[in-house]
Amino acid sequence: NAGVTQTPKFRILKIGQSMTLQCTQDMNHNYMYWYRQDPGMGLKLIYYSVGAGITDKGEVPNGYNVSRSTTEDFPLRLELAAPSQTSVYFCASSPLGTQYFGPGTRLTVL
Amino acid sequence: KNEVEQSPQNLTAQEGEFITINCSYSVGISALHWLQQHPGGGIVSLFMLSSGKKKHGRLIATINIQEKHSSLHITASHPRDSAVYICAVSLGSQGNLIFGKGTKLSVKP
Repeated sequence: NAGVTQTPKFRILKIGQSMTLQCTQDMNHNYMYWYRQDPGMGLKLIYYSVGAGITDKGEVPNGYNVSRSTTEDFPLRLELAAPSQTSVYFCASSPLGTQYFGPGTRLTVL
Repeated sequence: KNEVEQSPQNLTAQEGEFITINCSYSVGISALHWLQQHPGGGIVSLFMLSSGKKKHGRLIATINIQEKHSSLHITASHPRDSAVYICAVSLGSQGNLIFGKGTKLSVKP
């Protein structure tokens, strides 16, 4: 099993550009999450999903969108990138309980 | 709003020492998680517990629900234990986590 995979690993965006962070899991987990980690701060929940077709906002959803058309995939969309979105983004999946994290995407917005 | 506080923020130990990291939270929870973030950035779940104590190798996690407090202990610490240790709590049925800021542990040989 590959577990949770994320692409890309690194990305530099210009202000106003858009991009999609990809997340895929092969463990058939219903629950999936997107977090961001800023230096010196704890991880913050952006969006989560309890199953295909069901998503909901977390603590810091502004500037992001998600979709969950399949159990495996949970992409995170940034529509108009802003410097405040410079962060490390982690995707995680769970059968409800222990969470399994992807390797992260380091995003810089200039 | 639930806050998760960890102490200490930074910890330096000599190889072989016994290490304790503490976590306090402010409201009722359904479970508490301990995670390890490697220097390369990857995050691994170590424990999930809702009562009592769990042990895995040299790592022990305890929780006191009444006092809203948990500890992570590392026995016979080793330089490979150097990492950031993160405490997180889940409040509801969706498994959403609220994270502490982490404790950065450095174990010197």
